[in-house]
Amino acid sequence: DAKTTQPTSMDCAEGRAANLPCNHSTISGNEYVYWYRQIHSQGPQYIIHGLKNNETNEMASLIITEDRKSSTLILPHATLRDTAVYYCIVRGAFTGGGNKLTFGTGTQLKVEL
Amino acid sequence: DGGITQSPKYLFRKEGQNVTLSCEQNLNHDAMYWYRQDPGQGLRLIYYSQIVNDFQKGDIAEGYSVSREKKESFPLTVTSAQKNPTAFYLCASSMEGAANWEKLFFGSGTQLSVL
Repeated sequence: DAKTTQPTSMDCAEGRAANLPCNHSTISGNEYVYWYRQIHSQGPQYIIHGLKNNETNEMASLIITEDRKSSTLILPHATLRDTAVYYCIVRGAFTGGGNKLTFGTGTQLKVEL
Repeated sequence: DGGITQSPKYLFRKEGQNVTLSCEQNLNHDAMYWYRQDPGQGLRLIYYSQIVNDFQKGDIAEGYSVSREKKESFPLTVTSAQKNPTAFYLCASSMEGAANWEKLFFGSGTQLSVL
């Protein structure tokens, strides 16, 4: 699985967009980009995933660069409840052996008033 | 409501003691997973199971054991061989198959501490 690099921490003002970057320069053609988040002392929560097209759902938008070497998770109007650790994960689909996602240390997003 | 339930929320282990963490899901998911999380660290995979009566070692299986006798249950035993068991343990499940491959559903975790 490709390695990902994320900033250790980021701050965002409530109501503003939070843009969380992820670098995955060694991504291969069949690998997806997944985003999860973990609020303190809880289990991680799936947010969104994509292959090469930009994706949007009720929680966030995922922008993947044309060369697929990096991506950005966008929370359009961050609230205090979005304060969490955000994990960017790259994983090939249907690679067998179960959905063994590797969670690194992620980005600690702090949303402030 | 469908979901994944871990119990207990807090657990204490004495030296030399085996303890078992419970994980139950009513999502009808095929696959189940156990992860360990140490403070300030990411999650590390202990064991996973794709089907009843079958399971595979993850990255840090030593000192742990599991069983998968029922589809909805995947208990984790932390044995006395695990010398540093203090951690936050997370259970997860997922459907196998094209449309659901990517989504892991997690329980709320069990914090295990050594007395």
